Amino acid sequence: QSALTQPASVSGSPGQSVTISCTGTSSDVGGYNYVSWYQQHPGKAPKVMIYDVTNRPSGVSNRFSGSKSGNTASLTISGLQAEDEADYYCSSYTTNSPCVFGGGTKLTVL
Amino acid sequence: EVQLVESGGGLVQPGGSLRLSCAASGFTFSSHWMHWVRQAPGKGLVWVSRINNFGTTTTYADSVKGRFTISRDNAKNTLYLQMNSLTVEDTAVYYCVRVRRAGSNWFDPWGQGTLVTVSS
Repeated sequence: QSALTQPASVSGSPGQSVTISCTGTSSDVGGYNYVSWYQQHPGKAPKVMIYDVTNRPSGVSNRFSGSKSGNTASLTISGLQAEDEADYYCSSYTTNSPCVFGGGTKLTVL
Repeated sequence: EVQLVESGGGLVQPGGSLRLSCAASGFTFSSHWMHWVRQAPGKGLVWVSRINNFGTTTTYADSVKGRFTISRDNAKNTLYLQMNSLTVEDTAVYYCVRVRRAGSNWFDPWGQGTLVTVSS
């Protein structure tokens, strides 16, 4: 199962919005509403930010939002803050496997 | 507090074996599917294996199929990963994760991870 495609890096200034894309196929992202997004700070375990494409767990800032169009899911972070600087991973259920992750995106807050 | 604590990692020679454990607390362990996810140094997350809440259904990534075995002891609130025939490509931090809703890939929480290093 090939990994989902994410940009290697994105950046933005404090207060701005950034969007991270996650591209798959009709066998994963496009075929199921089981896309999740995880935030990982250096040396730390990942933390879920979005599940089931658009849902935000309790305790996660409403600056984080998720969406999907066709085979591409997106994570948007609005009102960027320094603490948002981290690696972000998308994941999806797939036809052939319970889970595939994206390659990860490093977010830099300028 | 919901918590997952992995243990059992360490240095092992190629071809060797290791068993990882994940102690769960703060929730009804027997009600949740569980997964293992790994991350090689400086690399991304890779799904490894999953087990249903009863311990009767297991699934593996192709890269570990036939070498790794996932299991659980609901009486001890513990998840396991038996790893055999290890190769240098298995070097990674191994995380155990709880599935919040059966059938989804909503992983929450994640353990702190345990490092497995395969080297001669």
